[in-house]
Amino acid sequence: GENVEQHPSTLSVQEGDSAVIKCTYSDSASNYFPWYKQELGKRPQLIIDIRSNVGEKKDQRIAVTLNKTAKHFSLHITETQPEDSAVYFCAASPPGNTPLVFGKGTRLSVIA
Amino acid sequence: GAGVSQSPSNKVTEKGKDVELRCDPISGHTALYWYRQSLGQGLEFLIYFQGNSAPDKSGLPSDRFSAERTGGSVSTLTIQRTQQEDSAVYLCASSLVNPYEQYFGPGTRLTVT
Repeated sequence: GENVEQHPSTLSVQEGDSAVIKCTYSDSASNYFPWYKQELGKRPQLIIDIRSNVGEKKDQRIAVTLNKTAKHFSLHITETQPEDSAVYFCAASPPGNTPLVFGKGTRLSVIA
Repeated sequence: GAGVSQSPSNKVTEKGKDVELRCDPISGHTALYWYRQSLGQGLEFLIYFQGNSAPDKSGLPSDRFSAERTGGSVSTLTIQRTQQEDSAVYLCASSLVNPYEQYFGPGTRLTVT
């Protein structure tokens, strides 16, 4: 079955710097890749997603890139702010009627 | 509109007791998921319901865990003979269509003493 690896597990950046979180997946037929953000004590929320027919997607300060050949995708956050501090989860959706497979998460700390 | 709701928000139980956790998904969402999240850890998939299809139970950690979804709406996760290692936050999520945009509930924090 699908396996998703996420790196790094923790990341600290200075406010205003960029942050990059990377995920790799094993099933080349996976076709949907969302990113969820979970602030401390709160529920996860979808922040951006990308489908396999697209290489990059942007939404203000966040962007996701997908390399299907290498089977990896990344979350990029520019001009980081303290409110970006959270745990970020990547996920991949295998084909068929199967649920998402999540990575183990990255704890991002933005230092003011 | 109303989001995903879960009850109770907190549950403290003694080892060996049975517990039931409830999830009310967003109306019209065909897919419903249960996850378990231990403190500081990731999202552990438990079970997935899609419409009237047989649920995907591949994530249930033991036969003490079961879940049902009645009428394609409300779901109940039951843990029998609870153990201390069952202590965690249990999250429910629903989506209009799997696998797109899962909306999570606030979770039930289960503590087994």
